[in-house]
Amino acid sequence: GAVVSQHPSWVICKSGTSVKIECRSLDFQATTMFWYRQFPKQSLMLMATSNEGSKATYEQGVEKDKFLINHASLTLSTLTVTSAHPEDSSFYICSASGGQGYYNEQFFGPGTRLTVL
Amino acid sequence: GNSVTQMEGPVTLSEEAFLTINCTYTATGYPSLFWYVQYPGEGLQLLLKATKADDKGSNKGFEATYRKETTSFHLEKGSVQVSDSAVYFCALSDISGDNNDMRFGAGTRLTVKP
Repeated sequence: GAVVSQHPSWVICKSGTSVKIECRSLDFQATTMFWYRQFPKQSLMLMATSNEGSKATYEQGVEKDKFLINHASLTLSTLTVTSAHPEDSSFYICSASGGQGYYNEQFFGPGTRLTVL
Repeated sequence: GNSVTQMEGPVTLSEEAFLTINCTYTATGYPSLFWYVQYPGEGLQLLLKATKADDKGSNKGFEATYRKETTSFHLEKGSVQVSDSAVYFCALSDISGDNNDMRFGAGTRLTVKP
């Protein structure tokens, strides 16, 4: 149990375009989803936390107008990188928590590698 | 605030060597502690966890004991294999804080040579 998927697994886009990444909890209801960013050879950096049906809480220094997060249901959260630029190229990882017995554990998706040309 | 400090890498070992990756934490509440493993190009996989003091988490030959007196959660394995080569992250999650906040260490890259 407790499987989280991400789609797409990788994406290449041109500078100035927007990219949407989906995060789904496949077999449990995720009351909270988290979005992380990981630069090469570095740790995960929390970008934002989203609770189903409410606005996301962004970490300091993360532009909420650039990284749009929607958590419309208990099984789906999306991250949209708007007007992407090469410096947005990174590995984006989501995680989900919630559901009976899963309250204080986060389950991670496989990640999405974004390359902006 | 909560934080995790883990041994900097990279760590290079020969096959069948003993592994220790140190991890210490600072927390105001009663955290759960985790070790995650990340293989090249992949996301994080939970390796083991411990939810209270003196608990020992174990999986695939790896183990770590939650030591409240030393605020540590060191990862150990008696005999590493080439397939253990990966990056290992120590993490804590504290539900007594805001919203299930999880903090990660910087990660330790392990390379095991045949």
